[in-house]
Amino acid sequence: KQEVTQIPAALSVPEGENLVLNCSFTDSAIYNLQWFRQDPGKGLTSLLLIQSSQREQTSGRLNASLDKSSGRSTLYIAASQPGDSATYLCAVRPSGGYNKLIFGAGTRLAVHP
Amino acid sequence: GAGVSQSPSNKVTEKGKDVELRCDPISGHTALYWYRQRLGQGLEFLIYFQGNSAPDKSGLPSDRFSAERTGESVSTLTIQRTQQEDSAVYLCASSLTSGRQYEQFFGPGTRLTVL
Repeated sequence: KQEVTQIPAALSVPEGENLVLNCSFTDSAIYNLQWFRQDPGKGLTSLLLIQSSQREQTSGRLNASLDKSSGRSTLYIAASQPGDSATYLCAVRPSGGYNKLIFGAGTRLAVHP
Repeated sequence: GAGVSQSPSNKVTEKGKDVELRCDPISGHTALYWYRQRLGQGLEFLIYFQGNSAPDKSGLPSDRFSAERTGESVSTLTIQRTQQEDSAVYLCASSLTSGRQYEQFFGPGTRLTVL
């Protein structure tokens, strides 16, 4: 059974720091991996999607890497800002079922001025 | 519309009552998903619709939960005889099944509170 774990569960940093959020999954048979941002009272915003054949994706200050064989992904946030404060969720789509995403519990990030 | 919409945004009900939650997917998206997020936990898959194919109901937690979708339009999730453990945020997502490689786009969710 696929399980997704995110570490740390919560993180508080001063503005300007570079951050690394970790995601691990138990079954390497995935189709893709997606990172989301969730703001309180709002839905999920897709940040980056990495196909199983890719090693990384970049969007602005965000960079996500994928090491499928070791079951790991990292989300790197450069020069963090207070507006980055949110919960970050990692989700994998298993190869055998295109029908669903399996989510981690998230990392709650607070960036203070 | 511009994005996935859900209604109501909040629902408070009494234990034992039935509730109906609605999702409007992005126009043109053939796939629709329902997830549940309990407080402090990750999202749990509930059900998936793809066009006119039989839905994947493998995530529904009990027979009190059911969902319908007509064609590629609106979906409703119904919870009968609600229990306190049903309290959660119910999120809907939609996607294409080609091109952007199944990237899912989520609505704002419905927060359900069962008293």
